[in-house]
Amino acid sequence: ELKVEQNPLFLSMQEGKNYTIYCNYSTTSDRLYWYRQDPGKSLESLFVLLSNGAVKQEGRLMASLDTKARLSTLHITAAVHDLSATYFCAVDRNLQGGSEKLVFGKGTKLTVNP
Amino acid sequence: DAGVIQSPRHEVTEMGQEVTLRCKPISGHDYLFWYRQTMMRGLELLIYFNNNVPIDDSGMPEDRFSAKMPNASFSTLKIQPSEPRDSAVYFCASSSGGLSYNEQFFGPGTRLTVL
Repeated sequence: ELKVEQNPLFLSMQEGKNYTIYCNYSTTSDRLYWYRQDPGKSLESLFVLLSNGAVKQEGRLMASLDTKARLSTLHITAAVHDLSATYFCAVDRNLQGGSEKLVFGKGTKLTVNP
Repeated sequence: DAGVIQSPRHEVTEMGQEVTLRCKPISGHDYLFWYRQTMMRGLELLIYFNNNVPIDDSGMPEDRFSAKMPNASFSTLKIQPSEPRDSAVYFCASSSGGLSYNEQFFGPGTRLTVL
């Protein structure tokens, strides 16, 4: 059974600081997804990582994937209040073809304080 | 595209009543997923469809829950009879099987409260 673990589950940080959220998964996969959810809102796709060593950046967020370690990181640079949200990573099994079900981590609730 | 559309956005009902949630996926997407989100259990996949056919319903909690997809542009999730523990936010998501990956796009959700 594919399991996805995120840590930390709660993260409170000051504006301007850097931090990293970790996502570990239990079985072989080279497809990992990061989503953002604002309070009371839906999930928004942030990054799709499709191969070992993949790195993607959008603004102050950078995601990377190490399939050998079964680890993805979401790095936050110089945090601002607008980044406060819950961040989910998700993995699907590396089956041939397109869609399959995603297994989500429990989410990391990030609060950025002034 | 308007994105995934769900209705209603909010539903308040009494225990024992039937509840029907509706979803319209993104046009051209051939996968549709129903999720439930609660504080206690997080985000759970209930069921998903490919080309209108249910593929995996192992996440459906019990027989009170049923889902259908009569055509490519419409799906329903029904709870009959509803119970207070069904209170949650229900999300519908869709994705395209024509890609080599599985980026799912989520609807705004239906917040269900069962009294």
